[in-house]
Amino acid sequence: SAVISQKPSRDICQRGTSLTIQCQVDSQVTMMFWYRQQPGQSLTLIATANQGSEATYESGFVIDKFPISRPNLTFSTLTVSNMSPEDSSIYLCSVGDSYNEQFFGPGTRLTVL
Amino acid sequence: AQSVSQHNHHVILSEAASLELGCNYSYGGTVNLFWYVQYPGQHLQLLLKYFSGDPLVKGIKGFEAEFIKSKFSFNLRKPSVQWSDTAEYFCAAQGDSSYKLIFGSGTRLLVRP
Repeated sequence: SAVISQKPSRDICQRGTSLTIQCQVDSQVTMMFWYRQQPGQSLTLIATANQGSEATYESGFVIDKFPISRPNLTFSTLTVSNMSPEDSSIYLCSVGDSYNEQFFGPGTRLTVL
Repeated sequence: AQSVSQHNHHVILSEAASLELGCNYSYGGTVNLFWYVQYPGQHLQLLLKYFSGDPLVKGIKGFEAEFIKSKFSFNLRKPSVQWSDTAEYFCAAQGDSSYKLIFGSGTRLLVRP
């Protein structure tokens, strides 16, 4: 399986600011995804990061709040914009080279004050 | 609506006890099923998966799961747990022609030495 790294591993931010999270994979992958895990809750898919085109967002998530970039097949960023305390979560990047399996990065723990 | 339910949020066992974690899904059509594990301080790892065929699937570290279509269940089992099995376990479902993973809320397992 691919080795996935995320930066930063954790951060504490002030409300109203934005944070960009990076996801780096050690091999080229077709599919990259961003998930959110709110405190005490399960993982929820935010969007699929598409290489060379706009990300595909799930219901309840919008590009203005969570802009995503995917400049190549090994890298993606997720920005959490205009943050509020409700955005405090763990944000995870995952990759899949088929529709059937996904492998997850270590996550970024975000706290918004 | 598509959903995955894990009924046990916290489980405490002594070493050598048997483990069964419940997972039920609500999904139209053919479904792929997964169990992921997150050990303390580590990222999510795939434990086992079911796509088709033999409904009893074996994963890493002695874990197995049984797909019972009539009960919409995919319970995780291990005959004898070890202290090192202390972790959070997530059940997930995926439509056969989709990449999207729907996760359960997770079960925290504590194994006492």
